[in-house]
Amino acid sequence: QVQLVQSGSDLKEPGASMKVSCKASGYSFTSYGINWVRQAPGQGLEWMGWINTNTGNPTYAQGFTGRFVFSLDTSASTTYLQISGLKAEDTAVYFCARVIGGGPVKRFDPWGQGTLVTVSS
Amino acid sequence: DIQMTQSPSSLSASIGDRVAITCRASQSISNYLNWYRQKPGEAPNLLIYAASSLESGVPSRFSGSGSGTDFTLTISSLRPEDFATYYCQQSYSSFPTFGQGTKLEIK
Repeated sequence: QVQLVQSGSDLKEPGASMKVSCKASGYSFTSYGINWVRQAPGQGLEWMGWINTNTGNPTYAQGFTGRFVFSLDTSASTTYLQISGLKAEDTAVYFCARVIGGGPVKRFDPWGQGTLVTVSS
Repeated sequence: DIQMTQSPSSLSASIGDRVAITCRASQSISNYLNWYRQKPGEAPNLLIYAASSLESGVPSRFSGSGSGTDFTLTISSLRPEDFATYYCQQSYSSFPTFGQGTKLEIK
């Protein structure tokens, strides 16, 4: 079945870097883009951007430029989210989600299970 | 960015009740509107896309309506697994945005 499996939770100190992986299976990896969504503790969903898995071209939402990088390993059907210079406010669950459809039928399905990143000294 | 505003922010209801959640866009988004359910501790799950199309495998008690700026998600008869948080999301813009969420709680 189509699924996205993310790496496990992590605890990082402020200023460190971290990398979350999102491994796809059950479909042609390069046929669908992957989005990243952040959910701070007790808060809603915030779209961070997406990566075109065919070209490797990333697009970042406002507020997620500079310290945030999306990348690919096509041979492993895996997408990565890297965050550098971690801050306490980066503490959140990070989700990857496949985008399917186009036009009015564009939607996110499925989603990875989420990766909790905690930034604390 | 297109702003999405859901109402209410929280809602109390009983098993078997019919409930409706609304979502308003800051500009017209035609029918480029999706609904997700997020159970506690889980990832969001797609329910409705293109405002009114039921995702495969989603129970028929869920329905969506609306176009332009105003949209509604209706659950016809609440089941225990429906007590969760619901999000609308616009896909009209190249930069999709979510509503703030509606938490549905057991009365």
